[in-house]
Amino acid sequence: KQEVTQIPAALSVPEGENLVLNCSFTDSAIYNLQWFRQDPGKGLTSLLLIQSSQREQTSGRLNASLDKSSGRSTLYIAASQPGDSATYLCAVVDNNAGNMLTFGGGTRLMVKP
Amino acid sequence: SAVISQKPSRDICQRGTSLTIQCQVDSQVTMMFWYRQQPGQSLTLIATANQGSEATYESGFVIDKFPISRPNLTFSTLTVSNMSPEDSSIYLCSVRTGGLTQYFGPGTRLLVL
Repeated sequence: KQEVTQIPAALSVPEGENLVLNCSFTDSAIYNLQWFRQDPGKGLTSLLLIQSSQREQTSGRLNASLDKSSGRSTLYIAASQPGDSATYLCAVVDNNAGNMLTFGGGTRLMVKP
Repeated sequence: SAVISQKPSRDICQRGTSLTIQCQVDSQVTMMFWYRQQPGQSLTLIATANQGSEATYESGFVIDKFPISRPNLTFSTLTVSNMSPEDSSIYLCSVRTGGLTQYFGPGTRLLVL
């Protein structure tokens, strides 16, 4: 059974710092991996989708990498801003799990002004 | 992309009653999903809502407790039946588009007293 872990569970940084959020998964036979953002009391916003054949995806100040063989993905946030404060979730779709997204526990990020 | 709306956005219900949550998508999609997010937890897939056929439930979820309708390619409902306080959660509708990105609705926050 696929398990997804995110480290750290919580992170507090001053504004302007570059930061890295980590995601690891136990079964490397994934179809794709997706990073989401969840603001308090809100739904999820899709940030980046990485197909299993890709190594990274970039959107603005966000860069997500994927190392499928080692079961790891990182989300890099450049020049963090207070508006980046949210919970960041990674989720994988397995090759053998049909349609199910398996989520990590999330990293709760606080960017202080 | 896909824009998803859910009704109601929140509700407080009495034990033993049932609540039906509606999910509307702004485009036709083949794959719709219902997720639950219990307090302080990550997301868990309840079921895949299939148009024109019975929903496919994940382990630990049953049709009698969470009946689902999918009358067309833009709409689905999830009913939480015979509610107990343990059903207090955020319920999220999700769709997957042809590009494989998964989008989520804003969620329905349910509190059962």
